[in-house]
Amino acid sequence: GENVEQHPSTLSVQEGDSAVIKCTYSDSASNYFPWYKQELGKGPQLIIDIRSNVGEKKDQRIAVTLNKTAKHFSLHITETQPEDSAVYFCAANNNAGNMLTFGGGTRLMVKP
Amino acid sequence: GAGVSQSPRYKVAKRGQDVALRCDPISGHVSLFWYQQALGQGPEFLTYFQNEAQLDKSGLPSDRFFAERPEGSVSTLKIQRTQQEDSAVYLCASSLLAGGNTGELFFGEGSRLTVL
Repeated sequence: GENVEQHPSTLSVQEGDSAVIKCTYSDSASNYFPWYKQELGKGPQLIIDIRSNVGEKKDQRIAVTLNKTAKHFSLHITETQPEDSAVYFCAANNNAGNMLTFGGGTRLMVKP
Repeated sequence: GAGVSQSPRYKVAKRGQDVALRCDPISGHVSLFWYQQALGQGPEFLTYFQNEAQLDKSGLPSDRFFAERPEGSVSTLKIQRTQQEDSAVYLCASSLLAGGNTGELFFGEGSRLTVL
């Protein structure tokens, strides 16, 4: 089955700096790669996703890049703000497309 | 409410007790998923429903775990004879369309189960 590795597990940045989180996946048939943000005591919430037919997608301060050949994808957050502090999860769908496999998460701390 | 609702939010059970966790998905959502999230880990897939049909239960860790969605709306995850290793947050998610890769999963806030 699919295996998704995520790093770093923790990331501390100064407000205004950029943050990058990287993930690798194992199943070459995966074609959907969402990123979720989870705040304390809440369920994960989708922040951006990318499909395998594009290499990059951007939404305001958030961007995701995908390298299908190398089977890795990354989340980029620019001009970080304290409210960006949370745990971020990458995910990839399985061969049948009916479930997501999540990475282990990255705890992002943005210091004011 | 407009979101996915889960109850109870917190459940403490003695080892060996049975528990039932409820999920109310967003109205009209076809797909419903259950995930298990251990402390400090990412969510792990348990089972998937398309309407009332349970199409994938490959992630259920043992035969003590059972899920149902009899009318294609509300779902219940039941854990029999709970063990300490069952302690986790159980997340329910729903999606408008069939399958997991066609759009956003909307997660509930989870049910935190602690087995003593």
